[in-house]
Amino acid sequence: GAVVSQHPSRVICKSGTSVKIECRSLDFQATTMFWYRQFPKQSLMLMATSNEGSKATYEQGVEKDKFLINHASLTLSTLTVTSAHPEDSSFYICSAEVGGAKGYTFGSGTRLTVV
Amino acid sequence: QKEVEQNSGPLSVPEGAIASLNCTYSDRGSQSFFWYRQYSGKSPELIMFIYSNGDKEDGRFTAQLNKASQYVSLLIRDSQPSDSATYLCADGRGSARQLTFGSGTQLTVLP
Repeated sequence: GAVVSQHPSRVICKSGTSVKIECRSLDFQATTMFWYRQFPKQSLMLMATSNEGSKATYEQGVEKDKFLINHASLTLSTLTVTSAHPEDSSFYICSAEVGGAKGYTFGSGTRLTVV
Repeated sequence: QKEVEQNSGPLSVPEGAIASLNCTYSDRGSQSFFWYRQYSGKSPELIMFIYSNGDKEDGRFTAQLNKASQYVSLLIRDSQPSDSATYLCADGRGSARQLTFGSGTQLTVLP
C-alpha cells in the first residue's frame, strides 16, 4: 500500500518547451505532496510543497512561474516545467507523507533531459 | 548552513562486514530521522526511521539516535554487494513536515 505513481519516467524535450510531470497517490489521499530535484551525484533538494486546494509553497531560489505546481485533488499533483532549458535537466521526484511505519513514500522519479 | 550533514564517502567495506554510516544535524528541535537507500537512477527507498534516543533494529539494519550529540547513524551488519548504494539521512522537522536530506554517503560492498 501507499504507492505514489509518477510519470513519465523519462522525457526528452526541446529547449523552450514545457513538460508536465504527474504524481498520483494510488491507495491513499495525499493532502500534501513534496517535489524534489536531484542533480547528478547530489542529494535531493526540496523545490516546493504542494497542498491540495491551495497554492504551493516554494523554496527559496525556486521560480514559481517556471515550475508550476497544481494539486487539484487529493490524489493528483502535477509539476510543469515551463520554457525548459538545458540547466533544468535533472531527476524530479515527488513524495507524500504516509505516516505510521511507512513515513514518506516516493514516486519513481522523472528523468528530464532538455536538448 | 546545512541542516543535515553526511560524509559523502565513498565508503567501501568487504562483504560480510559491518558498514557504519553517520549523520549529524544542526537543529535541536528535530524529532524524526529517516534513512533511505538510493540506487543509481532510482528514487529513494525507506530503510527505517527513528524518533527516540537509543537504538532501533530491523533485520540487518540498526539506527542509532543521540539527541544530545545531534547524531544519527545507521549500521548495516553482514553487508552484501546488493547493499551498494547511496544512503541518505533525512530530517523530518520541516514546518510542513517536509524532509531535509543530507548529501548522502556512497557505500560499496566488495565481494
